[in-house]
Amino acid sequence: QKEVEQDPGPLSVPEGAIVSLNCTYSNSAFQYFMWYRQYSRKGPELLMYTYSSGNKEDGRFTAQVDKSSKYISLFIRDSQPSDSATYLCAMRRGNAGNMLTFGGGTRLMVKP
Amino acid sequence: DTGVSQNPRHKITKRGQNVTFRCDPISEHNRLYWYRQTLGQGPEFLTYFQNEAQLEKSRLLSDRFSAERPKGSFSTLEIQRTEQGDSAMYLCASSPSVGDAFFGQGTRLTVV
Repeated sequence: QKEVEQDPGPLSVPEGAIVSLNCTYSNSAFQYFMWYRQYSRKGPELLMYTYSSGNKEDGRFTAQVDKSSKYISLFIRDSQPSDSATYLCAMRRGNAGNMLTFGGGTRLMVKP
Repeated sequence: DTGVSQNPRHKITKRGQNVTFRCDPISEHNRLYWYRQTLGQGPEFLTYFQNEAQLEKSRLLSDRFSAERPKGSFSTLEIQRTEQGDSAMYLCASSPSVGDAFFGQGTRLTVV
């Protein structure tokens, strides 16, 4: 079993919809949680970064971490066709530099 | 462009040949990481440098793989006697001592 699990999708939504992307993990040592966006044949781009449990909002994006359930989420409000990409969750232990453990990614398609 | 730069962007090589990739990190970043990403999967950690010191290597990094960061600036990743299973996107990332990791656009390797 992988340390970080993520539904591969694809997830197809109409423009303007609220999107929910999720990851579960098994290693309770993970303390830092990130979401990356990756367009086809490009490198991952950092979207959101949270430490421990709680919520963090940045524009149309909200990241949630529930350490008790080992479950993290990314919500995208008012989704746009330009949001169509693969979304990768990533996490690391507190003393692990930036050695990240990634989920497999969820492919999102936002239809105009 | 002040981002992480990787060269070449694409490399096609015959099985058994050696290949070398280069990564130029963001100039003030002292940490540098190599990841490998296969189609439909998230990136997997390979190795990590702090300045010129290689501090961590994944068990994924077989003895055919070697990475260097001779002056604590750019890094090279060499794969000897390439195999078809080495076909992947090789991603480099850099970060400061405290802060987020930023990825380059990757080098896509195809072994034929």
